[in-house]
Amino acid sequence: AQSVTQLDSQVPVFEEAPVELRCNYSSSVSVYLFWYVQYPNQGLQLLLKYLSGSTLVKGINGFEAEFNKSQTSFHLRKPSVHISDTAEYFCAVRRTDSWGKLQFGAGTQVVVTP
Amino acid sequence: KAGVTQTPRYLIKTRGQQVTLSCSPISGHRSVSWYQQTPGQGLQFLFEYFSETQRNKGNFPGRFSGRQFSNSRSEMNVSTLELGDSALYLCASSLEPEISGNTIYFGEGSWLTVV
Repeated sequence: AQSVTQLDSQVPVFEEAPVELRCNYSSSVSVYLFWYVQYPNQGLQLLLKYLSGSTLVKGINGFEAEFNKSQTSFHLRKPSVHISDTAEYFCAVRRTDSWGKLQFGAGTQVVVTP
Repeated sequence: KAGVTQTPRYLIKTRGQQVTLSCSPISGHRSVSWYQQTPGQGLQFLFEYFSETQRNKGNFPGRFSGRQFSNSRSEMNVSTLELGDSALYLCASSLEPEISGNTIYFGEGSWLTVV
């Protein structure tokens, strides 16, 4: 079985400041790792994904994440946030053999203030 | 290219009724999965379909069912609705799942309120 833990339920941050959202996972089998964002009253949008290779993954909207196998972490970062980054962010894993089934974390609400 | 389309977007049902939600995947996508999102339980996997066959099922009661048609469109049905079924139901699609690491794209969801 897999589990995903997002260590912060809410992260307040000032505009133009950096932000880091923490995600730890556990799995007995190989997994792919994802970060999704959900804006109010919308579905989920993929920010980035780690499949293999370089442990630093760059995504859309200036986000990047680093996969750390030894610490089973996949933290998301952005060097300078905008008001428009206010949203909920979900870390997710998927077994490499499980097709569509994503296991999500509980989410981190990011609130960006001027 | 159109995204994942879900209908209806919003609906209100009464306890005991049943509901059918529809999902049209991105053109060319053959895998469709469904998720339930609630404030208390978060995002939970319901089921996944590929080539009209259910390939994977989450831990939900038998009141939750789904199907996929030959054009890859999918429907999910919830019978004998309970208040706790109030949620955002998200449909997602992807290319053939055998292709490792395919991105899963989500629709905007169907908001179901049970009263």
